[in-house]
Amino acid sequence: EAGVAQSPRYKIIEKRQSVAFWCNPISGHATLYWYQQILGQGPKLLIQFQNNGVVDDSQLPKDRFSAERLKGVDSTLKIQPAKLEDSAVYLCASSLAGVSYSYEQYFGPGTRLTVT
Amino acid sequence: AQSVTQLGSHVSVSEGALVLLRCNYSSSVPPYLFWYVQYPNQGLQLLLKYTSAATLVKGINGFEAEFKKSETSFHLTKPSAHMSDAAEYFCVGGQNFVFGPGTRLSVLP
Repeated sequence: EAGVAQSPRYKIIEKRQSVAFWCNPISGHATLYWYQQILGQGPKLLIQFQNNGVVDDSQLPKDRFSAERLKGVDSTLKIQPAKLEDSAVYLCASSLAGVSYSYEQYFGPGTRLTVT
Repeated sequence: AQSVTQLGSHVSVSEGALVLLRCNYSSSVPPYLFWYVQYPNQGLQLLLKYTSAATLVKGINGFEAEFKKSETSFHLTKPSAHMSDAAEYFCVGGQNFVFGPGTRLSVLP
């Protein structure tokens, strides 16, 4: 079974530039998550999708971050404009259908973003 | 606010020794708790999860955790550490999948 795919794996940009990350979840997983993991910290949930609808985006900085999940499969996370403090690893995860906190999540390898 | 705390950002044990990684959660956290492991340059991997079926949960690689509601704890243990256990361990729980800050486990030869 293929795992969660993410691209790119690494990205270096200058502040005020824009960047986009892509995620392809495990086939059949209706729920998709984006996390931000700053060095030395645990991941922080940014946004959660159930199919193509947003379940929770309370911790997403909406002035600069946006995410979409067209057709309920792939998802993109965008930052525009980037700030230095956005330097982090961005993780995508997926889980089986249902907004239940008992479902385990499967994580992708992450995208390491460096903002200079 | 829901929170998950992990006592000790870095734990060192000798190979063959007991591993104990501590996790406490706030009482407002729903009783769905997980332990994830992150090996260097790899993605997060589920070790085990608690979903109220049994208080003692067995996971992969010989790890287990015990849910203690009275202590709001979900500590992770392994009887005998192996060099390959060196990694970052995260306790996760509740709504919004709150991650603890993580504990880095080092295993000394």
